[in-house]
Amino acid sequence: AQSVTQLDSQVPVFEEAPVELRCNYSSSVSVYLFWYVQYPNQGLQLLLKYLSGSTLVESINGFEAEFNKSQTSFHLRKPSVHISDTAEYFCAVILKAAGNKLTFGGGTRVLVKP
Amino acid sequence: GAGVSQTPSNKVTEKGKYVELRCDPISGHTALYWYRQSLGQGPEFLIYFQGTGAADDSGLPNDRFFAVRPEGSVSTLKIQRTERGDSAVYLCASSPDRGEYNEQFFGPGTRLTVL
Repeated sequence: AQSVTQLDSQVPVFEEAPVELRCNYSSSVSVYLFWYVQYPNQGLQLLLKYLSGSTLVESINGFEAEFNKSQTSFHLRKPSVHISDTAEYFCAVILKAAGNKLTFGGGTRVLVKP
Repeated sequence: GAGVSQTPSNKVTEKGKYVELRCDPISGHTALYWYRQSLGQGPEFLIYFQGTGAADDSGLPNDRFFAVRPEGSVSTLKIQRTERGDSAVYLCASSPDRGEYNEQFFGPGTRLTVL
């Protein structure tokens, strides 16, 4: 069975500072990897995904994540956060060729302070 | 276009009662998923429909939970004899079915509170 671990449940960070959210997964088969974001009082939105190809993927709002197969990690980073990045972030996986169901980590709540 | 909608947005019920939660997927999406998000946790998979049939119901916690999608569009999640531990946000997502990976689009969720 696969599992996803997000090591930090909460990350306070000052505006314009960098942030890194850690995600590790365990799976005996190849996976697709995702980061979802849930802004206050809103639904889950896909932030970025790794399916194949370049191991570094980027979102339109400045986040990036790197797939590291040897460390089974998919950490999310942003070099300079904004107040509007305050949200909960979920790492997730899909097992390749095993259906399209997502397995989520426990989430990391990011609070950006002025 | 319209996204995934879920009704009701909030449902409060008493222990032992029966509840139905509804999901309207994005028009044309053949796949539909239900997840449950308990307080302080990530969403957990419950069941996945491909058309009218349940392709994977391995996440349903017990036989009090049942879901249907009779016409391949709207889906209803049914919970019998509700328990306090069923309190959670129930999320629905839909996706097209065009290849090995299809992006899931999530609805706003139904917050279920069992008193």
